[in-house]
Amino acid sequence: AQSVSQHNHHVILSEAASLELGCNYSYGGTVNLFWYVQYPGQHLQLLLKYFSGDPLVKGIKGFEAEFIKSKFSFNLRKPSVQWSDTAEYFCAVNAGSGGYNKLIFGAGTRLAVHP
Amino acid sequence: SQTIHQWPATLVQPVGSPLSLECTVEGTSNPNLYWYRQAAGRGLQLLFYSVGIGQISSEVPQNLSASRPQDRQFILSSKKLLLSDSGFYLCAWNQGQINTEAFFGQGTRLTVV
Repeated sequence: AQSVSQHNHHVILSEAASLELGCNYSYGGTVNLFWYVQYPGQHLQLLLKYFSGDPLVKGIKGFEAEFIKSKFSFNLRKPSVQWSDTAEYFCAVNAGSGGYNKLIFGAGTRLAVHP
Repeated sequence: SQTIHQWPATLVQPVGSPLSLECTVEGTSNPNLYWYRQAAGRGLQLLFYSVGIGQISSEVPQNLSASRPQDRQFILSSKKLLLSDSGFYLCAWNQGQINTEAFFGQGTRLTVV
């Protein structure tokens, strides 16, 4: 069965620190990968996604993620975080084929950025 | 443009009572539809998903069921609620033919008392 593991449940950083959130998935076939973010009191929204091509994808607000197929990983990075990045971050994998989608999420990482 | 509506936003129900949460999507056809439960520290747990009318897949055994009576309507139900059914329930959709991002409803906070 498909699964998604996020290694860090809580991360605390100071502003301007670099961020890397780990994500590993379990699925042997073609996958599509996503990072979603949930700011306090708001809906989940898409941060970035990988379908094919360049394994380094760039998203909104300076975030990027790298797909490493051999490691089944899709880690999220940001060189310099801001207080406004305080949120919960979810990695997700869509392990469907032939247009059949089954979207599985990780447990989430709660990021707190201190000024 | 597409929109997703989920209601009610909050619900308090006694143990043993029935449940019906409704989700509708506008502005698209033949979407994939999902019900998730979000719990602190556990992320989004996929409960049910549907690729078409009357087609429901259950991910975890539980006291809940789902139905899709119309193309853009997805209903989460229970005949008799348990205390453990309390939680935050999210409906979501994405496009069935291509792999695209999912869009989420505002969620329902269910408290079983």
